[in-house]
Amino acid sequence: SAVISQKPSRDICQRGTSLTIQCQVDSQVTMMFWYRQQPGQSLTLIATANQGSEATYESGFVIDKFPISRPNLTFSTLTVSNMSPEDSSIYLCSVPGRYNEQFFGPGTRLTVL
Amino acid sequence: GEDVEQSLFLSVREGDSSVINCTYTDSSSTYLYWYKQEPGAGLQLLTYIFSNMDMKQDQRLTVLLNKKDKHLSLRIADTQTGDSAIYFCAVDYKLSFGAGTTVTVRA
Repeated sequence: SAVISQKPSRDICQRGTSLTIQCQVDSQVTMMFWYRQQPGQSLTLIATANQGSEATYESGFVIDKFPISRPNLTFSTLTVSNMSPEDSSIYLCSVPGRYNEQFFGPGTRLTVL
Repeated sequence: GEDVEQSLFLSVREGDSSVINCTYTDSSSTYLYWYKQEPGAGLQLLTYIFSNMDMKQDQRLTVLLNKKDKHLSLRIADTQTGDSAIYFCAVDYKLSFGAGTTVTVRA
């Protein structure tokens, strides 16, 4: 299985600011995924990030709010823009395994004041 | 999208078996997964089952799949305090997740 790290592990941010979350994988992968887990809730897929192309966003998520970069096969970033308290969540990146199972990073716990 | 439903809470005595249930709507689902999330931690893949299987056993874990009823269950034998966590079932590669079942193991 892939080893995935995320930075920062947690942050507390002010309303209206932006935060960029980094995801690093120890092997080259074509697809990376970004999920959000709101407090006490399940996971929701934000977008799929493919190297060399624009990210594909799920319904309810837009590029202006959650811009994603995928500069190479081992790295991706997710930016949470113009934050509000409703953006307080855990943000997780993941990569698929051989059987399309997902291997998750440890998550970034974001609190917006 | 896929609807995945789970019961929210389960309390079990240490040493007993735990059974966590999940139902889903898409009969074409190919892969089904169980994840474990401990407090403050990320998600850990526990096990998975292909849709052409009825059962999969992996040490203390047994997964049962009833395709007709679209019902998936996870049985944990000899439940230990370290099994206290939130358990999520998930369906297919984009992973439609259930809401998670919080399992509390009492002594």
